[in-house]
Amino acid sequence: NAGVMQNPRHLVRRRGQEARLRCSPMKGHSHVYWYRQLPEEGLKFMVYLQKENIIDESGMPKERFSAEFPKEGPSILRIQQVVRGDSAAYFCASSPSREDLEQYFGPGTRLTVT
Amino acid sequence: QKEVEQDPGPLSVPEGAIVSLNCTYSNSAFQYFMWYRQYSRKGPELLMYTYSSGNKEDGRFTAQVDKSSKYISLFIRDSQPSDSATYLCAMRANAGNNRKLIWGLGTSLAVNP
Repeated sequence: NAGVMQNPRHLVRRRGQEARLRCSPMKGHSHVYWYRQLPEEGLKFMVYLQKENIIDESGMPKERFSAEFPKEGPSILRIQQVVRGDSAAYFCASSPSREDLEQYFGPGTRLTVT
Repeated sequence: QKEVEQDPGPLSVPEGAIVSLNCTYSNSAFQYFMWYRQYSRKGPELLMYTYSSGNKEDGRFTAQVDKSSKYISLFIRDSQPSDSATYLCAMRANAGNNRKLIWGLGTSLAVNP
C-alpha cells in the first residue's frame, strides 16, 4: 500500500515564476491537508480539501496561493509569482475521513525561490 | 502568546536514558493531543494520540495529558540512537471549525551511542 506521494521533492523557481506542488493521497483517502514548514515557525496548516471541495482554507494566503483536489488526479498546491519568502518545505497529509485523527504525511516538497 | 509552546531544544542524551518532551497550551477547548516524530528531510509520522486527560503507553513511549495544567508530555524509555529526530506535539478541539491541528515548533532530540 503506497503512502502519500508528493512531487517534485525539490523545486527551484525564480522570483515571479509559478510553482505547482502535487500530492497523491493514500489509496482510499479522500481528505487532503497542506502544510508549510519553516524552521522558525514550525508546521503551519494551510488548507484542507476533500474531493472537489475546499473545506477550510483559513491558513492559506488570499493572494497568489490556490489549491485544488479534483475528482481524478492529485491535489495541487499552486503558488503564483513566487517570492523568496515562499521558500519552505510543503507537506501534504491525507486521512480516510474528517473524523480520523491520524494524518499520513508525504515526504514533502522543498521549494527554493532564487 | 502562541497557542502551543514547545521548547525547540536541542536535547542531547546518552543511549538508554529516559527522555521527557513537553508542550504547554493555552486553549482549553483542545481535546485531542498527538505526538509526531519527524526524521530529517522526511514528513512527520504519528506516534500516538490521547483524548482528554490521562496516560497512554505504547512500547517504550508514554504520553501524558494534564488538562488542569494545560501540559502534555511524551516519555521515551531506554532511548536508542534511532530515536534521534524532531518530536512535534499537535492538538485540536473536538468539533466544529476548530478541528484543524495546531502544532508546536518541535523539539530536536539526539540520542548518542
